[in-house]
Amino acid sequence: QSVLTQPPSASGTPGQRVTISCSGGSSNIGRNAVIWYQHLPGTAPKLLIYNNNQRPSGVPDRLSGSTSGTSASLAIGGLQSEDEADYYCAAWDGSLNAWLFGGGTKLTVL
Amino acid sequence: QEQLQQSGPGLVKPSQTLSLTCAISGDSVSSNSAAWNWIRQSPSRGLEWLGRTYYRSKWNNDYALSVKSRILVKPDTSKNQFSLQLNSVTPEDTAVYYCARSLGYFDLWGRGTLVTVSS
Repeated sequence: QSVLTQPPSASGTPGQRVTISCSGGSSNIGRNAVIWYQHLPGTAPKLLIYNNNQRPSGVPDRLSGSTSGTSASLAIGGLQSEDEADYYCAAWDGSLNAWLFGGGTKLTVL
Repeated sequence: QEQLQQSGPGLVKPSQTLSLTCAISGDSVSSNSAAWNWIRQSPSRGLEWLGRTYYRSKWNNDYALSVKSRILVKPDTSKNQFSLQLNSVTPEDTAVYYCARSLGYFDLWGRGTLVTVSS
């Protein structure tokens, strides 16, 4: 059972905006930066967002991250079929001295 | 070019030890800013961080509570690599195992090794 809680699934139609939530606590999201990854089967996870809301080069600006208190969100605008994948949030937990991942959200583009 | 190259067996028998190695190119296992991690992924558990080793004047380790009693992540400075040992494995440990560098976030990953625990 993950300490970071994500909805198991999300969906949208092409062009729509979808938001994926990630709920944690005061020792992880409430204190440390949140990271978001996209994972496709057979490949290494791809970094989408770091430091809560920063995009690495090559990640389109239709993806954005935000935090509020002990929760974080990843928004994907202008949904495309290539966005269909699993999405994970992650944060360092200062009480556990461990990295935590959310349980993952499977995004389906209808 | 920065790269992590994983090696190790893809099949381990129950109760035995899973051993994987991650060779580092373009960086150093003794870096004072990076940490070197093992992460696994399975359909039932998603992504799960297992542990890390890092050097800050001395060698340090952190481990996930779920595997703390049976894991060892060890650096090998002579070969610029680090390793994972997971003892007493069960079929629940079947997963794709990744090594990864963290600099505040996981920015460099190995290609992954599918490890199946089966007799």
